[in-house]
Amino acid sequence: QKEVEQNSGPLSVPEGAIASLNCTYSDRGSQSFFWYRQYSGKSPELIMFIYSNGDKEDGRFTAQLNKASQYVSLLIRDSQPSDSATYLCAAMGGGSEKLVFGKGMKLTVNP
Amino acid sequence: GAGVSQSPSNKVTEKGKDVELRCDPISGHTALYWYRQSLGQGLEFLIYFQGNSAPDKSGLPSDRFSAERTGGSVSTLTIQRTQQEDSAVYLCASSLSGSQAGDTQYFGPGTRLTVL
Repeated sequence: QKEVEQNSGPLSVPEGAIASLNCTYSDRGSQSFFWYRQYSGKSPELIMFIYSNGDKEDGRFTAQLNKASQYVSLLIRDSQPSDSATYLCAAMGGGSEKLVFGKGMKLTVNP
Repeated sequence: GAGVSQSPSNKVTEKGKDVELRCDPISGHTALYWYRQSLGQGLEFLIYFQGNSAPDKSGLPSDRFSAERTGGSVSTLTIQRTQQEDSAVYLCASSLSGSQAGDTQYFGPGTRLTVL
């Protein structure tokens, strides 16, 4: 059973702080990893994907991948109230094209 | 179209009725996926299409669920003899090829199904 685990939270940070979201995965064959943001009542929207070990930065967002530890993280710098949402980690690969999702972490950024 | 579209946006049905949910993927995307999201649960994979073929149906929860895709474009998810536990948001996603590292799945707005 391929699994993706996320700390269910919720996570609350003050505006301007760094929010750190973490995820582990069970299938070593997983090749690509995705972070989606989901606002309440809306569908998931892609923030970032990563498939190479190390860091990948896009604006205020940095994704980190450590395949040896089977660990993926998302850092949000200078958090804004508009970042308040549920963040979903997903893994793909290992002979399958489907995304395996974690249950999501609810982030609240307080003004 | 600009994004993945789904219809209807909301569907309320009575237990035992059949329902059809429709997905129109992003133009040119060969891969199409169905997921569902129940209250308090993560997204659960249902089925994957590559063109009109479904190489992975492993997530369909029972034989009451079926899906087809025609013309490499529109897909229909059919639930027969609906049960209350089928109530969920059904999400469709599409991606360019489904087979490349980093190939991104883009989600539609979903269909909220309520079975009374």
